[in-house]
Amino acid sequence: DTEVTQTPKHLVMGMTNKKSLKCEQHMGHRAMYWYKQKAKKPPELMFVYSYEKLSINESVPSRFSPECPNSSLLNLHLHALQPEDSALYLCASSYQAGGFAEQYFGPGTRLTVT
Amino acid sequence: AQKITQTQPGMFVQEKEAVTLDCTYDTSDQSYGLFWYKQPSSGEMIFLIYQGSYDEQNATEGRYSLNFQKARKSANLVISASQLGDSAMYFCAMREGQNTGANSKLTFGKGITLSVRP
Repeated sequence: DTEVTQTPKHLVMGMTNKKSLKCEQHMGHRAMYWYKQKAKKPPELMFVYSYEKLSINESVPSRFSPECPNSSLLNLHLHALQPEDSALYLCASSYQAGGFAEQYFGPGTRLTVT
Repeated sequence: AQKITQTQPGMFVQEKEAVTLDCTYDTSDQSYGLFWYKQPSSGEMIFLIYQGSYDEQNATEGRYSLNFQKARKSANLVISASQLGDSAMYFCAMREGQNTGANSKLTFGKGITLSVRP
C-alpha cells in the first residue's frame, strides 16, 4: 500500500486564524516532506523530516511550523498567514531521505487564505 | 542554469497512440536519479517511473518507459497506448548523488500538460 493521506482536503482560513494540516503514512517510511505548489507550477520543497528530526527548512517563514510527532505523522501548523500563502500543500514520504528512494505524495490540501 | 528542462508547453495525443514527453537535465554528478510524476487535476502527484544514472537498461513500468540517453542528458517519458485518464500534468525530477544524505533534494522541472483526445 503506497498511500499517504492528508486532511483536510480543503481549508479556508482568515489571516488571524490558527489551523493545522495533517499527513499520515503507514509504509514504514522514515522521511517525510512538505511541499507548497502554486497553480501550473512545480512543487516547492518546504521541510524535510528524516527519522522524525527536521533536516531541511527551505527558509520558510515562521508562520509555517512543522511537527513530526512520530514516524507516521507529519503536521503543518499555520498561523497569521497571508493571501499569497494560498496554494496546494502536498505531503510526501519516502523510505529514506537520502539516496534515490521515490517519494510518494498525498492528495494535498487546497488552502485559501482570505 | 535550470537543472531540469521541460520545454514542451502542452502536448496533445490521440487516444491509443503513443506520446513522448521530453526532459533534459544538467548535472556534474556521476550518480543521480531521474523520476517522472503525473499530476491530474485532482492534485495528487503520482510516481510513475525511476531511472538511475548507472542503470544500463531503460526503465519500463507498464505503459510507461523512459528513453534514457545519458550522453545527451535526456530522460524522455514514453507513454504507449494513451488513455483518456492520462490527461494530466507531467513532471520530470532529478535527485543528484553528490549529496545523498538527508539533505539531498528532488529538483522538479516546470512540467508538461498532456491532453488525450478521444
